Amino acid sequence: LAKTTQPISMDSYEGQEVNITCSHNNIATNDYITWYQQFPSQGPRFIIQGYKTKVTNEVASLFIPADRKSSTLSLPRVSLSDTAVYYCLVGEPYNTDKLIFGTGTRLQVFP
Amino acid sequence: GAVVSQHPSWVICKSGTSVKIECRSLDFQATTMFWYRQFPKQSLMLMATSNEGSKATYEQGVEKDKFLINHASLTLSTLTVTSAHPEDSSFYICSARGQGNEAFFGQGTRLTVV
Repeated sequence: LAKTTQPISMDSYEGQEVNITCSHNNIATNDYITWYQQFPSQGPRFIIQGYKTKVTNEVASLFIPADRKSSTLSLPRVSLSDTAVYYCLVGEPYNTDKLIFGTGTRLQVFP
Repeated sequence: GAVVSQHPSWVICKSGTSVKIECRSLDFQATTMFWYRQFPKQSLMLMATSNEGSKATYEQGVEKDKFLINHASLTLSTLTVTSAHPEDSSFYICSARGQGNEAFFGQGTRLTVV
């Protein structure tokens, strides 16, 4: 699986938009980009997945440039409950290959 | 979305005893399950990958005789920590992957060995 690099931590305030960037220079042609959220003492939760350009769902948007060597998770108008660790993973779907987690980004939202 | 259930959510055991953790996919068949451990303020570390009906594949540095994994059916995988010691205290998380794009995670099991 392609190695990913993310900022270790980020701080924000309620109501702001937060953008977390992930670098994956060695992403393969068949790899998708998936973001997970983890709260303390809970398992990771799927947020969003994409292959290229832009993907949006009810909780986030994912921006992927044409070269796909990076991606940006965008959380609109964060609240205190968005305080969590966010992980970016790349890999091929429909594949039983293992999921390797990087360091993740610890987002702290302040009131 | 699909549900993966882990049991127990937390367990305290005495040093030297064994503990079994169950991971069930409730509404889909999981051909592959993954077991992770996570220490405080650290990322998830993959321990092993199990495929239904075959032996688990362990990551480097993970003792297969200490962390016994059984994936006897398409909906159940178990992790047994044998002869547990305080250094085995950690947060253990399972993940199940079916036929779709994403992996689903259990809620985790907090193991404390005293």
